[in-house]
Amino acid sequence: DIQMTQSPSTLSASVGDRVTLTCRASQTISTWLAWYQLKPGKAPKSLIYHAFRLQSGVPSRFSGSGSGTEFTLTISSLQPDDFATYYCHQYHTYPGTFGQGTKLEIK
Amino acid sequence: QVELQESGPGLLKPSETLSLTCSVSGGSISPYYWSWIRQPPGKGLEWIGYVYHSGSTNYSPSLKSRVTMSVDTSKNQFSLRLTSVTAADTAVYYCAKRGDYGDYADHWGQGALVTVSS
Repeated sequence: DIQMTQSPSTLSASVGDRVTLTCRASQTISTWLAWYQLKPGKAPKSLIYHAFRLQSGVPSRFSGSGSGTEFTLTISSLQPDDFATYYCHQYHTYPGTFGQGTKLEIK
Repeated sequence: QVELQESGPGLLKPSETLSLTCSVSGGSISPYYWSWIRQPPGKGLEWIGYVYHSGSTNYSPSLKSRVTMSVDTSKNQFSLRLTSVTAADTAVYYCAKRGDYGDYADHWGQGALVTVSS
């Protein structure tokens, strides 16, 4: 199985900050990577697919980049609604595997 | 905007069969693929598999022997069955619409907690 490693596990930041979350794959996955936002008791939200393509309706402050084994999710200016846990997901090899998540906390 | 909602029993005993249904609103179940994903408490996400609107399926090898997914197009619903459950199957189960361009999820339900306990 392809292992996905996210860093950091927890990130403390303030409204208005620019933050970058990292996801590394144990082998190359081209750009077959998605990012999701999860909040307790709410439907998870799909943010990014194909490493950098924004899902419809996702604010433009979210962006994804990377290819091969190194990927990032950047939020350009944190909003109160963005404090959540973020997961990366490789779908290069079926069944896809997920990172362990990065919890974005309010500083 | 497609919306999904899981339903089913929240408490099972070991060896019983987990049965969940996902109701799709705001769009047709055809001609798309539909997925199930789970997250045990305090752990990461796990892709269980997907079912096509025609009924064809693709399951995770680790669960393949115990999983069945099906579609009811007349009700705009799809379902998950997982047999012989153990405590390790305790998780929040999410239904999701598989993305149009690959095996990711582009719309999710809010999840249903299923606890397996004697």
